[in-house]
Amino acid sequence: KNQVEQSPQSLIILEGKNCTLQCNYTVSPFSNLRWYKQDTGRGPVSLTIMTFSENTKSNGRYTATLDADTKQSSLHITASQLSDSASYICVVSAKGSGNTPLVFGKGTRLSVIA
Amino acid sequence: AAGVIQSPRHLIKEKRETATLKCYPIPRHDTVYWYQQGPGQDPQFLISFYEKMQSDKGSIPDRFSAQQFSDYHSELNMSSLELGDSALYFCASSFRTGREKLFFGSGTQLSVL
Repeated sequence: KNQVEQSPQSLIILEGKNCTLQCNYTVSPFSNLRWYKQDTGRGPVSLTIMTFSENTKSNGRYTATLDADTKQSSLHITASQLSDSASYICVVSAKGSGNTPLVFGKGTRLSVIA
Repeated sequence: AAGVIQSPRHLIKEKRETATLKCYPIPRHDTVYWYQQGPGQDPQFLISFYEKMQSDKGSIPDRFSAQQFSDYHSELNMSSLELGDSALYFCASSFRTGREKLFFGSGTQLSVL
């Protein structure tokens, strides 16, 4: 069964600190992996998208890594800001024709406090 | 840059009423996905359309229907609303398949009283 597991479930950090969120998946065959930031009551906003051949991708203070062998990804947030408080969702797409539904992780709820 | 537009932003309905949610994809995107996200839940895929034809179906109740129009906007029609239908409904659009970057709308918050 295609699954995406994220950890931790929730995280509280001080403003300015770094943090790393984890995503493990069993989706096969793998097409791509995306990290989204979702504010409460809003649709997800894309941070990065990574394909099989990509190991690292950065978007400002966000850096995502992908290990396709171990089927693990991480999202590293540097110098956190209060506005980083949100849910971070890992979404994996399986390779195939048509519009294969995405497999969503349950997200990590990040709270950045002053 | 244009984003995925959803309307209305908020909607309050009573049980057994009907509701219509609208989604306007990014220009030139030909694929629309609908998701339902309950409080504290991960999004559940409902249905998708490619080039105005239904392309995939997920956990969409029989009380719901959707379609994609010639201008590629999509509408989700919900009838006989139940309390459990209260959720955030958001749509996403992409060009062709899911391999392309998926852009999400801000969602419609539906509350059924």
